[in-house]
Amino acid sequence: GENVEQHPSTLSVQEGDSAVIKCTYSDSASNYFPWYKQELGKRPQLIIDIRSNVGEKKDQRIAVTLNKTAKHFSLHITETQPEDSAVYFCAASIAPSGTYKYIFGTGTRLKVLA
Amino acid sequence: GAVVSQHPSRVICKSGTSVKIECRSLDFQATTMFWYRQFPKQSLMLMATSNEGSKATYEQGVEKDKFLINHASLTLSTLTVTSAHPEDSSFYICSARLRTSTDTQYFGPGTRLTVL
Repeated sequence: GENVEQHPSTLSVQEGDSAVIKCTYSDSASNYFPWYKQELGKRPQLIIDIRSNVGEKKDQRIAVTLNKTAKHFSLHITETQPEDSAVYFCAASIAPSGTYKYIFGTGTRLKVLA
Repeated sequence: GAVVSQHPSRVICKSGTSVKIECRSLDFQATTMFWYRQFPKQSLMLMATSNEGSKATYEQGVEKDKFLINHASLTLSTLTVTSAHPEDSSFYICSARLRTSTDTQYFGPGTRLTVL
């Protein structure tokens, strides 16, 4: 079935450094890829998304790149800050029976060390 | 805009009882709502897709008779965990999709269910 692989599962970086999280999806029909940040016990918060007709999107310190041919997409966080510490999930939107739904990656626990 | 609420935020119940969780879209109409379950340190697993006025579509392996979903209006969906057991203890999160959108989902704050 459809799945989304996410790496790494944990990531520790020094404050100010960059962090990169990578995802691979299996369904070539996927055309929407959101990224969510989730703090402990809280709801997932959408931080950035990208559609399949775009290769890159940037919002201040956060950027997402998409390679449709390879079915890869990545989250890039620059100048990391302690408040960036959280679990990040990628997702791919699929519509196997006409209704769009998300398949989530397994998550990356990011720890930014002060 | 696009605020989703859930009630209750936490619930503790005895084994064998049923628990109802509400998911509301506060400032928009949601034709479709989704129910997820998240175990500690794990990802969100889609349980079912709920469309207003029709039966929910359950993911493989999710028991429809145990997890009853009702989407009676464009702003409310409910999940009832029937005959709850300790293994049903989890974080249940709903999301809603704007009526005019094909994909973006907005998440509720989640409900922590503990079954004793």
